Amino acid sequence: QVQLVESGGGVVQPGRSLRLSCAASGFTFTNYAMHWVRQAPGKGLEWVAVISYDGNNKFYADSVKGRFTISRDNSKNTLFLQMNSLRAEDTAIYFCAKDLGDVAVAGDFDYWGQGTLATVSS
Amino acid sequence: QSALTQPASVSGSPGQSITISCTGTSSDVGSYNLVSWYQQHPGKAPKLMIFDVIKRPSGVSNRFSGSKSGNTASLTISGLLAEDEADYYCCSYAGGSTPHWVFGTGTKVTVL
Repeated sequence: QVQLVESGGGVVQPGRSLRLSCAASGFTFTNYAMHWVRQAPGKGLEWVAVISYDGNNKFYADSVKGRFTISRDNSKNTLFLQMNSLRAEDTAIYFCAKDLGDVAVAGDFDYWGQGTLATVSS
Repeated sequence: QSALTQPASVSGSPGQSITISCTGTSSDVGSYNLVSWYQQHPGKAPKLMIFDVIKRPSGVSNRFSGSKSGNTASLTISGLLAEDEADYYCCSYAGGSTPHWVFGTGTKVTVL
């Protein structure tokens, strides 16, 4: 069965960096685009970034553009989110999510991890 | 990249039907048949319930249905069950020059 397991969250000071990972199993990772979606405590969902199945195309929400970088290692079935210049408003649970589409990006998130909490606080 | 507008809460009695609206603009909901809906129970990850406006993933009850008219998409839950009590979020592709997606503000469904 499909499993997505995030890690790397923690408490970090404003302006510092954090790198999140998402280990995938149970499906052919190399065939699917992957997304990061976040949820601030007690708030709604916010799409963060997407990476194509081959890692050649990456797109970001305006709120993180220039600060966050999405990447993947297809040899290790792992998705990453490098978060730099962190702000208090980046505090959230970060979910990785599998795209429904095979190769093509569908923008429907059919499997989600349980999330990892990143807290930005001095 | 503004969030889509959903009612904060909707309630219904067991067995009834409820509808959640999701209002966007001509740049997102109105331009693409790429609206999805997610159910989220407290402390859990979201679950895909509807995609491409009207399609149900395998395993999702046919009590859940989607529709769209103009800039507004809707999710209808028929035969309401206690287990349907959760938060629901719509999401739309909002393409343009740079592909991106926008979620709705979320709706808390209460089963009375």
